[in-house]
Amino acid sequence: NAGVMQNPRHLVRRRGQEARLRCSPMKGHSHVYWYRQLPEEGLKFMVYLQKENIIDESGMPKERFSAEFPKEGPSILRIQQVVRGDSAAYFCASSPLQPGSSYNEQFFGPGTRLTVL
Amino acid sequence: GENVEQHPSTLSVQEGDSAVIKCTYSDSASNYFPWYKQELGKRPQLIIDIRSNVGEKKDQRIAVTLNKTAKHFSLHITETQPEDSAVYFCAASPNSGYALNFGKGTSLLVTP
Repeated sequence: NAGVMQNPRHLVRRRGQEARLRCSPMKGHSHVYWYRQLPEEGLKFMVYLQKENIIDESGMPKERFSAEFPKEGPSILRIQQVVRGDSAAYFCASSPLQPGSSYNEQFFGPGTRLTVL
Repeated sequence: GENVEQHPSTLSVQEGDSAVIKCTYSDSASNYFPWYKQELGKRPQLIIDIRSNVGEKKDQRIAVTLNKTAKHFSLHITETQPEDSAVYFCAASPNSGYALNFGKGTSLLVTP
């Protein structure tokens, strides 16, 4: 069973360009979470999605950031008009069951390291 | 919202000694507390977790304790080994499956 997959692993963008980050959850997992990690800091929650639904986007900036998890295909985190402050590692995690269920751990992908020049 | 504080930010121990990392949380609704280990440039990996109906949980050299009244929980690593060197993050959430609120991490260095 392959783990959580993310691509690209490294992404370089110039200011003003768009960044698209992809996350494929583990097989059988229908819940995806995106977190951002700045250098020397912890992970900050951004958004929680189920298939075709955004459940909680309270940690995601209102402007320039969007996320989706379509019925088919990976979850996408999109950052429009990137700025230098967007440089960070972006991790996604997936979990298998409904919230509140037992053994509903979040498994993390390898991350996408975004560098904005 | 939930605020998770983690101490210390750095910890250096000699191989074979014990290491203790402590976290506090603010939201009394939190009842799921996982710990993640992150090696340099790698993904966070779940090493142990505890739910609020349990006061302590052990898995070989790793143990976690939870005090819901005081709103703090701790990670204990015994007989540390150099391969335990990593950054450790605590987290809290209202329940497993919801967003995790992370502490800022503890950089553990185990010297031979």
